[in-house]
Amino acid sequence: GAVVSQHPSRVICKSGTSVKIECRSLDFQATTMFWYRQFPKQSLMLMATSNEGSKATYEQGVEKDKFLINHASLTLSTLTVTSAHPEDSSFYICSAKGQGSNQPQHFGDGTRLSIL
Amino acid sequence: AQSVTQPDIHITVSEGASLELRCNYSYGATPYLFWYVQSPGQGLQLLLKYFSGDTLVQGIKGFEAEFKRSQSSFNLRKPSVHWSDAAEYFCAVGRANFGNEKLTFGTGTRLTIIP
Repeated sequence: GAVVSQHPSRVICKSGTSVKIECRSLDFQATTMFWYRQFPKQSLMLMATSNEGSKATYEQGVEKDKFLINHASLTLSTLTVTSAHPEDSSFYICSAKGQGSNQPQHFGDGTRLSIL
Repeated sequence: AQSVTQPDIHITVSEGASLELRCNYSYGATPYLFWYVQSPGQGLQLLLKYFSGDTLVQGIKGFEAEFKRSQSSFNLRKPSVHWSDAAEYFCAVGRANFGNEKLTFGTGTRLTIIP
């Protein structure tokens, strides 16, 4: 149980395009989803927290107009990297947790984003 | 602010040997503690978690961890490692905020298994 699917697993696109990444909880309702960014050989950095039906809460230093997050249902959150540039290239990972403070986060397999 | 320290960047052990990965945390209240494992190019898999109760926590794949409040530690152990255990291991601390946890991750420990 507690499977989180992230799609696509890899994206290569030109500078200036927008890229949408989906995160789905397949077998549970995710009241909260998290988006992380991971640089090579480094730890995960939390970008934003999203709750179903409300606006995402962004961490300090994360541009909300650059990284648009939508959490329209209890099983789906999307991250859109707008007008992507090479410096946005990274590994993006989502996680989801169910309702209740004792629920752990379950992670997707990540999306490798490469901007040319 | 909460923080997590994993002092060992890289550990190499022989297959069949025991393993201990260190994790120290800083947090003002009782923390929620987690160990995750990440294989190359993939997401994170939860190995085990501590919220309250018994300080020795059993996880998947034969792993266990012990919460020691006096030492602010949550070290991960396995009595006999397998080649498939080679991966990156992350310790994380969470705090409750209106029912959600925001995790702070350590920098990770890369585990290499030699025959």
